[in-house]
Amino acid sequence: EIVLTQSPGTLSLSPGERATLSCRTSQNVIGNSLAWYQQKPGQAPRLLIYAVSSRATGIPDRFSGSGSGTDFTLTINRLEPEDFSVYFCQQYGMFGQGTKVEIQ
Amino acid sequence: EVQLEESGGSLVQPGRSLRLSCAASGFSFQDYAMHWVRQSPGKGLEWVSGISWDSVSIDYADSVRGRFTISRDNAKNSLYLQMSGLRAEDMGLYYCAKDIGLTMIRGVITYAMDVWGQGTTVTVS
Repeated sequence: EIVLTQSPGTLSLSPGERATLSCRTSQNVIGNSLAWYQQKPGQAPRLLIYAVSSRATGIPDRFSGSGSGTDFTLTINRLEPEDFSVYFCQQYGMFGQGTKVEIQ
Repeated sequence: EVQLEESGGSLVQPGRSLRLSCAASGFSFQDYAMHWVRQSPGKGLEWVSGISWDSVSIDYADSVRGRFTISRDNAKNSLYLQMSGLRAEDMGLYYCAKDIGLTMIRGVITYAMDVWGQGTTVTVS
């Protein structure tokens, strides 16, 4: 069974700073099925990144995805107030447990 | 506007069955794979099941395999989830989601989901 481990659990930052979120998978990603989602309270998840590094439609370019094998990163440059949220990575039918990005 | 609207969630006793529906609009439903994803209160996301455009490829999470059945009706732009043998751990908000797909291959399951409904709540008690 694929296990995705996200770190850190919580990231405390200030607007304008860079956020670096990690997702480690228990199995090498074959092809490029690695996605990232943002979820705000009371809302459905929103696809940010798919195929490791492709931005979904309408996603600002301050969001970027990278990585290969078992280690993947979501980077958010110059955090905006609306970016403080919970982020999930996904590989095939498995989600990570989430990283909360909170205002310091 | 691309939209997904789930329905069918309710309070049900353990061991009983329930059928969820998802009505799609604003896109060519028949060209995309579709998914169900659930979320327990205060918890993370759990992918439940996915189905290709033509219903040939179907996948389930281990936690629901053998109890849940996903299906679709392209003529009605609708996705379904038949749930049986419901357990307390099946409780949560069930989302219907559209697969982002691949440009050159119709309706395959990629697992990345670019359109989500607002969910329907299933309570097992």
